[in-house]
Amino acid sequence: EPEVTQTPSHQVTQMGQEVILRCVPISNHLYFYWYRQILGQKVEFLVSFYNNEISEKSEIFDDQFSVERPDGSNFTLKIRSTKLEDSAMYFCASSEGGGKAQHFGDGTRLSIL
Amino acid sequence: EDQVTQSPEALRLQEGESSSLNCSYTVSGLRGLFWYRQDPGKGPEFLFTLYSAGEEKEKERLKATLTKKESFLHITAPKPEDSATYLCAVQPPGNTPLVFGKGTRLSVIA
Repeated sequence: EPEVTQTPSHQVTQMGQEVILRCVPISNHLYFYWYRQILGQKVEFLVSFYNNEISEKSEIFDDQFSVERPDGSNFTLKIRSTKLEDSAMYFCASSEGGGKAQHFGDGTRLSIL
Repeated sequence: EDQVTQSPEALRLQEGESSSLNCSYTVSGLRGLFWYRQDPGKGPEFLFTLYSAGEEKEKERLKATLTKKESFLHITAPKPEDSATYLCAVQPPGNTPLVFGKGTRLSVIA
């Protein structure tokens, strides 16, 4: 069964450094998302992406965050200058369209020191 | 504001002891309600989508139902491998992101 894959599974970075989290969505899906989950808290929406542009973003997704689909398969989340509070699990998801199930990867655990 | 509340926060069952998890929601309009299973250190795994009140979906020991204000996930004769956190999420109208509840942490004891 097709799945969403994310790399790396764990990233440890010094505060203030840039990180790039990578995702390969399911190949025939058109909508792509990033969510995060701080330990013990809800899964929170960050950003959605369709037709090579951001379609919606949350208050969390400030100027330090950016997303890109550099080729036909990868979808990346960049954090320019990481803060301690960016430590969380980051999940990529993709779907065929609105109202259809979003399928999630197993996440990248980001630890900021 | 769209909100999802799940109860109980944690549930401990003996193997074979059936029960239900609740997801109540307030949303401006419901495009879909989704149930996911999440194992420790893993991403949410899709289980069901429900679109309208009265709809039911089943998969093995799980059955999801939907009313205008809440959804239930019924677990019949659970096994230890059903132990996980079960997440409920709603999607308002449009191609909008999911709004998640905090989840119910289910433990099934042999």
